Amino acid sequence: KNQVEQSPQSLIILEGKNCTLQCNYTVSPFSNLRWYKQDTGRGPVSLTIMTFSENTKSNGRYTATLDADTKQSSLHITASQLSDSASYICVVSGGYNAGNMLTFGGGTRLMVKP
Amino acid sequence: GAGVSQSPSNKVTEKGKDVELRCDPISGHTALYWYRQSLGQGLEFLIYFQGNSAPDKSGLPSDRFSAERTGGSVSTLTIQRTQQEDSAVYLCASSSRAGTSGQETQYFGPGTRLLVL
Repeated sequence: KNQVEQSPQSLIILEGKNCTLQCNYTVSPFSNLRWYKQDTGRGPVSLTIMTFSENTKSNGRYTATLDADTKQSSLHITASQLSDSASYICVVSGGYNAGNMLTFGGGTRLMVKP
Repeated sequence: GAGVSQSPSNKVTEKGKDVELRCDPISGHTALYWYRQSLGQGLEFLIYFQGNSAPDKSGLPSDRFSAERTGGSVSTLTIQRTQQEDSAVYLCASSSRAGTSGQETQYFGPGTRLLVL
């Protein structure tokens, strides 16, 4: 069964600190892995997307890594800001041959405190 | 607008009533998805439309759920005889299908918050 597991479920950090969110997956076939940010009451917004051959991708203060051998990904947030408070969702795609179906993780709820 | 829009933004209904949720995808996007997000839970895939192909209904939880996409654009998700466990946020997403890389980003709407009393 395709699964995406994220940890921790929730995290509280102080403004300016760094943090790392984890994502482990068992999805086959695998095409790409995405990280989404979902603000409260809003739809998810894409942060990064990585294919099998990519092991790191940055978007501003967000850096995602991917180890396709161990099927693990992480999202590192540098110098956190209050606006980073949101849920971060790891999503794995099976690709075109799997109808572009996505398997979603349960998300990590991040709270950044002043 | 340039993004995916959904209506209504909030819906409160009584158990047993039917509801219709609407999604307007980004213009030109051929793929449209419906998801459900229950309180404290991850996103759950419901149904997927791609162009004129038969939709992938594998995620629909019961025969009370159905969806249509008219003219390859607007989609309506219908829930018949609603139950309290149907209470959730229903999210719609669309993506282009310009290529076959499977990397097309899905753009999400703001969701419809459904509460069944």
